[in-house]
Amino acid sequence: QVQLQQSGPGLVKPSQTLSLTCAISGDSVSSNSAAWNWIRQSPSRGLEWLGRTYYRSKWYNDYAVSVKSRITINPDTSKNQFSLQLKSVTPEDTALYYCVREGTISTFGYWGRGTLVTVSS
Amino acid sequence: DIQMTQSPSSLSASVGDRVTITCRASQSISSYVNWYQQKPGKAPNLLIYAASSLQSGVPSRFSGSGSGTDFTLTISSLQPEDFATYYCQQSYTTPIAFGQGTRLEIK
Repeated sequence: QVQLQQSGPGLVKPSQTLSLTCAISGDSVSSNSAAWNWIRQSPSRGLEWLGRTYYRSKWYNDYAVSVKSRITINPDTSKNQFSLQLKSVTPEDTALYYCVREGTISTFGYWGRGTLVTVSS
Repeated sequence: DIQMTQSPSSLSASVGDRVTITCRASQSISSYVNWYQQKPGKAPNLLIYAASSLQSGVPSRFSGSGSGTDFTLTISSLQPEDFATYYCQQSYTTPIAFGQGTRLEIK
């Protein structure tokens, strides 16, 4: 059974960098059949896909256009985890952030418990 | 980018009712639609994948249909635990997109 354990601060100041980590158990970040995503949810934006990292003989990343200039998602094979960094945050980045395993045909079958991140001074 | 538009945004129904939620894609996406249920304080839970395939462990009163641009999620006989918010998601291409959600409330 796949489990995703999120960690990171719940409060970030405007203009700083939001950093979250998702530790994987029951699967490998290097799996050839999965992808590792970050999705956020807020009342104003609903469920918003931010991006993913995945391994298919080499590492790939896909990012949402809305955050492409500010986002980095990195795998950490030594710790079997992946991370999210979102630079230059504003209050509009306040949301519940989920790490999510994507399986075949882009089904989101396993979700972390979510981290509420508030951007405020 | 592909947009997903759900209707209605909210719906009131009674236990035992048959309910249908609709999702329309801004362009043809074959059968690349998944449906999720979300309860307050919880992450979304996968119900239906590839438009009509029931995820393991999901009750058979849930069903999905459609292809191209128009898709539906049907609950054949509402149970008390079904009152929640439902989302469609297109898995045809990136950026992956969700519908805005349909809140199903008790009448």
